[in-house]
Amino acid sequence: EIVLTQSPATLSLSPGERATLSCRASQGVDSYVAWYQQKPGQAPRLLIFDASYRATGIPARFSGSGSGTDFTLTISSLEPEDFAVYFCQHRSNWPPITFGQGTRLEIK
Amino acid sequence: QVQLVESGGGVVQPGGSLRLSCAASGFTFSNYGMHWVRQAPGKGLEWVAFVQYNGNKKYYADPVKGRFTLSRDNSKNTLYLEMNSLRADDTAVYYCTKDQGGGRMVRGVFEYWGQGTRVTVSS
Repeated sequence: EIVLTQSPATLSLSPGERATLSCRASQGVDSYVAWYQQKPGQAPRLLIFDASYRATGIPARFSGSGSGTDFTLTISSLEPEDFAVYFCQHRSNWPPITFGQGTRLEIK
Repeated sequence: QVQLVESGGGVVQPGGSLRLSCAASGFTFSNYGMHWVRQAPGKGLEWVAFVQYNGNKKYYADPVKGRFTLSRDNSKNTLYLEMNSLRADDTAVYYCTKDQGGGRMVRGVFEYWGQGTRVTVSS
């Protein structure tokens, strides 16, 4: 089973700042990584798929990069509604599909 | 717009059973694979199971294999998860999700999510 490790566990930033979230896979997963945003009491929402493609309706301030074992989600300038928990997920040689443990992005 | 509405959650004793349903609308249900993903209280996300668009292929996560059964009724646009021999560690919110791919193209990307149904296993 491929293990995804996200860092940091918690990221404290202010609106307008740039956020960089990391996801590392225990083995290569090509570009088969997706990112999801989850706000309290809500279902997750797909942000990025295949490492760098924005899902429908996702603002351009969200971008993804990486391949192999190291992936990054970048939010170029934080808006108040971006403070949430972010999960990465792989789809390489599944089943199983696994998720990272999440990064909590909180207001500083 | 795509809508996924789960139902059937509740409180059940260890060893008991529950059947979850997911009513889909806003897309051609019979063309898409569907997944269940769960989230234990205060925890991360865990993929549970997948069924192909036509019901022919099914995959399960190891913790639920042999206890959970996934099925679908394309005439009713509904997905089901039959859960037996429930344990305390099955306690979670269960989300129904639509795979991004269509037909034989299964992508393993969770494009749309329902709001979830809560399952609590407790004596």
